[in-house]
Amino acid sequence: GQNIDQPTEMTATEGAIVQINCTYQTSGFNGLFWYQQHAGEAPTFLSYNVLDGLEEKGRFSSFLSRSKGYSYLLLKELQMKDSASYLCAVRRNTNAGKSTFGDGTTLTVKP
Amino acid sequence: DTGVSQDPRHKITKRGQNVTFRCDPISEHNRLYWYRQTLGQGPEFLTYFQNEAQLEKSRLLSDRFSAERPKGSFSTLEIQRTEQGDSAMYLCASSLGWGVGKNIQYFGAGTRLSVL
Repeated sequence: GQNIDQPTEMTATEGAIVQINCTYQTSGFNGLFWYQQHAGEAPTFLSYNVLDGLEEKGRFSSFLSRSKGYSYLLLKELQMKDSASYLCAVRRNTNAGKSTFGDGTTLTVKP
Repeated sequence: DTGVSQDPRHKITKRGQNVTFRCDPISEHNRLYWYRQTLGQGPEFLTYFQNEAQLEKSRLLSDRFSAERPKGSFSTLEIQRTEQGDSAMYLCASSLGWGVGKNIQYFGAGTRLSVL
């Protein structure tokens, strides 16, 4: 099976930088996704890492270390609208393509 | 591209009743997934389709649950003899395929089921 751990809650200030960590244990790793989910809404895709290193996309960056089973999502220049749950999801190297999700990190951005 | 759409958005039912949800994936997406999400948890995989073929079902999916994708386009998820424990958000997602760049899953807004 897979074990995915994320902090349950984080708080940060508008304009600041926040790093949300995700650790996982799995066999046959084949990619890690980050999704953003506002309350009552669908998860929306943020980033995908399959190789080690940093992927940058505007204010959001995601990092992966496969040897350490570790990823983080970095959010810069925080805005109030960034208050949401951030879900880390890991995919295994099977034909299913299904992803196993962590329970999410609820980020609260304060003025 | 209108995104993944799900219907209804909300469903309230009495225990023991049957319910059916519909999902329309993004057009040309071959893969369709069903997940269930409860408050404070991440989505849990239920089942997935490659075109019209249902290729995997989670052990979470009891025999009261059935899903179909008859023409490889929209899908339905039926729950028979609903129980209070079935109350959750049911999410549908679709992806273009398997390879890198094709495997990103796009989610619908979900159907929130409340079983009284």
